[in-house]
Amino acid sequence: QSALTQPASVSGSPGQSITISCTGTSSDVGTYNFVSWYQHSPGIAPKLMIYEVNKRPSGVSIRFSGSKSGNTASLTISGLQAEDEADYYCCSYAGFNNLVFGGGTKLTVL
Amino acid sequence: EVQLLESGGGLVHPGGSLRLSCVASGFNFNDYAMSWVRQAPGKGLEWVSGISGSGSNTYYADSVKGRFTISRDNSKNTLFLQMDSLTAADTAVYYCAKARYDFWSGHYGMDVWGQGTTVTVSS
Repeated sequence: QSALTQPASVSGSPGQSITISCTGTSSDVGTYNFVSWYQHSPGIAPKLMIYEVNKRPSGVSIRFSGSKSGNTASLTISGLQAEDEADYYCCSYAGFNNLVFGGGTKLTVL
Repeated sequence: EVQLLESGGGLVHPGGSLRLSCVASGFNFNDYAMSWVRQAPGKGLEWVSGISGSGSNTYYADSVKGRFTISRDNSKNTLFLQMDSLTAADTAVYYCAKARYDFWSGHYGMDVWGQGTTVTVSS
């Protein structure tokens, strides 16, 4: 499976909202409601932020939300904070017990 | 505290083998499927392999199928990844991650991750 397509970088000022897109195909994102999002900073264990397209694990801020339309999933972060600066990865089920990740998006808080 | 701690990484020659371990604590290890995910230098995350809570079902990415073997020892709360016929393309930080259910459920989200162990394949 080919990696899902994410923008290499996005940026925003504190308090603003940003959206990170994750484009797949009808073989993964477009067919399955199993899209998750992970936050990852160097030297720190990745953290699950969103699962099953739009569900938030306990302890994750309500500023993080997920959605999906067709072959594209999106992660929106509202009320941007300096602590949100990290790399973000989407992940989708791709059938036959396989998972496929996106290439990652570096979020910079200006 | 829920925690995963990987070990076993290192420098290995092309064609060589390495066995990674991941010790879990803070949760009932045998109640959850587990996974290995890797990140090559300058690249994104890549799912490698998954295993059910009982260990009876295993799954692999095409890139490692036939070369890597995932297993677990529930009596020791430990996950393993046996890596054979290694190539430079396998150079990466390897993370173990906990799934949310006992059946292979990485697609439902992996909610606990370790900090990774580095594997370098080079002559």
